[in-house]
Amino acid sequence: DQQVKQNSPSLSVQEGRISILNCDYTNSMFDYFLWYKKYPAEGPTFLISISSIKDKNEDGRFTVFLNKSAKHLSLHIVPSQPGDSAVYFCAGVDSGGSNYKLTFGKGTLLTVNP
Amino acid sequence: SQTIHQWPATLVQPVGSPLSLECTVEGTSNPNLYWYRQAAGRGLQLLFYSVGIGQISSEVPQNLSASRPQDRQFILSSKKLLLSDSGFYLCAWSVQGFNQPQHFGDGTRLSIL
Repeated sequence: DQQVKQNSPSLSVQEGRISILNCDYTNSMFDYFLWYKKYPAEGPTFLISISSIKDKNEDGRFTVFLNKSAKHLSLHIVPSQPGDSAVYFCAGVDSGGSNYKLTFGKGTLLTVNP
Repeated sequence: SQTIHQWPATLVQPVGSPLSLECTVEGTSNPNLYWYRQAAGRGLQLLFYSVGIGQISSEVPQNLSASRPQDRQFILSSKKLLLSDSGFYLCAWSVQGFNQPQHFGDGTRLSIL
C-alpha cells in the first residue's frame, strides 16, 4: 500500500519559470509533511516542511501548499534554476506514532533547462 | 553546524559475510538516529530508530541489527549477509521532539555477491 504517491516520475521546466511538484497521500493520520531534494550519489537534503495546521509555508524560492481535504500537497519553485535539477521526494509523518517514521513517495525527477 | 558522516560509500560483500556500517553525527547532542534502506525500485524504508544510547527500535523483521554505543554513533550490523540485503542504506538524525525534519547522510551502496 503506497501511502504517499508522486504520480509524475519526471518534470521538465525552463529556467526562470515555475516548477510545480505534486504529491498525494492516503494516510489521514499524517500531520507533518516534508520535501527533500536528492542529487545522484548523495543522501536526500531537507528542503521545506509543513504542519497540517497550516496550508502554506514559504522559504525563499520554495513554497509548499497543503490541501488536507484533498490529501494533496505541492512544492512550487520560483524561479527555477538549473541547479534545482534533482529528484524531489515528498514524505509524510504520523506524529502520533512513536517511531517518527518518514513515509516517502517514489520521487519526481526535475530537469531545469537553461 | 551539524554534520552526519556515513561510511563506507560503497561496499561489496559476499553472501554469508558479516556487515558493519557506521554513522556519526557532529554538532548536536542527544539526537534521534535512524537507519533507512532503499531496495532497487522501491522507496525508502525505515529499518531502525533510536532515541538514546542503547535504545533501539526495529521497524521490520530482518537479518540486520542496530546499536547505539555512544550518543552520536549509530551502527548497522549483520552476522551473515543475504542476497536480499543489497540496497542503499541511509543514516539520518533529527532533533528530538515532534515535527522535526530528519537530515540524511550520503548513504552506503551495499552489493551482495
